[in-house]
Amino acid sequence: GAGVSQSPSNKVTEKGKDVELRCDPISGHTALYWYRQSLGQGLEFLIYFQGNSAPDKSGLPSDRFSAERTGGSVSTLTIQRTQQEDSAVYLCASSLGTSASYEQYFGPGTRLTVT
Amino acid sequence: EDQVTQSPEALRLQEGESSSLNCSYTVSGLRGLFWYRQDPGKGPEFLFTLYSAGEEKEKERLKATLTKKESFLHITAPKPEDSATYLCAVQAPGRRALTFGSGTRLQVQP
Repeated sequence: GAGVSQSPSNKVTEKGKDVELRCDPISGHTALYWYRQSLGQGLEFLIYFQGNSAPDKSGLPSDRFSAERTGGSVSTLTIQRTQQEDSAVYLCASSLGTSASYEQYFGPGTRLTVT
Repeated sequence: EDQVTQSPEALRLQEGESSSLNCSYTVSGLRGLFWYRQDPGKGPEFLFTLYSAGEEKEKERLKATLTKKESFLHITAPKPEDSATYLCAVQAPGRRALTFGSGTRLQVQP
């Protein structure tokens, strides 16, 4: 079946511009996660959604970052007034639930470059 | 604070030369320890979940083991197609997201 998809695959933007990154999770997966991977670093948790519950935003690095999930499916991560340190690969993952018994399936990521 | 440390950062092996990757973790309680494989330009691909000390899981040339403080990913007779970055992650009680290590870049030369 279809996996997690993300768009765009690459995004180059100028410092100060806003960007939107999109994630389409696997159908039926109630949990959706956003992570950020900087060059040579491990994945850093940003935000997660589970069903209709309030999202866990504890990993968002600043108030320039926000995310929403519409209809329990597609999610959009928005970065306002981008800075060079925002350059990274943004990865989305989904899972059937949040228990450790449910593995997270990752999309291919969006590579963001802020010039 | 949950911490995951992987070693070595990079490992170069000859085809058929077995070795192990290490993942040391500090977490208050462990709901699960995860191993992922990541190829360049792609998202991580799930390999294993381990839940308690003493547990082992195998998949082809890979075997993952778990103790109370660390996990090992053993690679037996590796092939060039095993070349990738291997990521370790933990999930702590009350947390839904995973805490990842920075990975081990494995290169297997023919």
